[in-house]
Amino acid sequence: IVMTQSPATLSVSPGERATLSCRASQSLGSNLAWYQQKRGQPPRLLIYSASTRATGVPARFSGSGSGTEFTLTISSLQSEDFAVYYCQQYNDWLPLTFGGGTKVEIK
Amino acid sequence: EVQLVESGGGLVQPGGSLRLSCEASGFIFSSYEMNWVRQAPGKGLQWISYISSSGYTVHYEDSVKGRFTISRDNAKNSLYLQMNGLRAEDTAIYYCARGERILYDWGQGTLVTVSS
Repeated sequence: IVMTQSPATLSVSPGERATLSCRASQSLGSNLAWYQQKRGQPPRLLIYSASTRATGVPARFSGSGSGTEFTLTISSLQSEDFAVYYCQQYNDWLPLTFGGGTKVEIK
Repeated sequence: EVQLVESGGGLVQPGGSLRLSCEASGFIFSSYEMNWVRQAPGKGLQWISYISSSGYTVHYEDSVKGRFTISRDNAKNSLYLQMNGLRAEDTAIYYCARGERILYDWGQGTLVTVSS
C-alpha cells in the first residue's frame, strides 16, 4: 500500500491551525497511525486507529478519516509542534508502510 | 517507563556485516512483538523487519530478505538484527520499535554507515 502525504512542507504561524493530509492507495478502514519526529529524535506515536490519541498526547492533536483519506489537525500550533509528521498504515500487514512525511515549519 | 536502547552501529565497508542490539526495559519484553525501522539520512521511515513475541515468526522487507536476520533473547530482554552483505543503500539510522502493527515506543536509534 502506497501512502502519500501532502503538503510536503507546511508553513504555519504559532497559534494557527495546521491540517495535514494522508492518502492511501487502497482502503485501510481505520488502520492508520500518525507519528511526530523532531530533529535528531526518534518518531513518537501521536494517533492510532485514525483518531485515538496515544498516552500523553495533548488534545490539540486530532485525527480523522477512514478508508483512503485521513487528516491530522493541530488546533493551535505551539513551538514544540514544529516537526515532521508521518502517517503509517497497518491494515495490510506486512509490510508496514509510511508516508513521505509533512514538515511543519514556522512561518 | 519504557526504554529501548540500540547499539552496534558504525562504519562498515560494502559487503561487510554488523549486529545491532536493542536492550529493552520498563515492560514485559517477552509479551511484545518488535520491529526494526530504518531512516536513511534526510529521508523518511522504512519498516524492515518484524519478530513475534516468542521469536518463532519473523518477516522482512524485500530489500533486506536473505541478508538480514532478526532475533531476540527474551531472557536478556534483547532484540537483535544481524546484517550481512551490507550495501551503500543500507546506510541509515536503525530504530527498534515496540508493537505489532502500531509502533508504540521507539529507541533513539543507532547509525549504520556503509562506505569504503
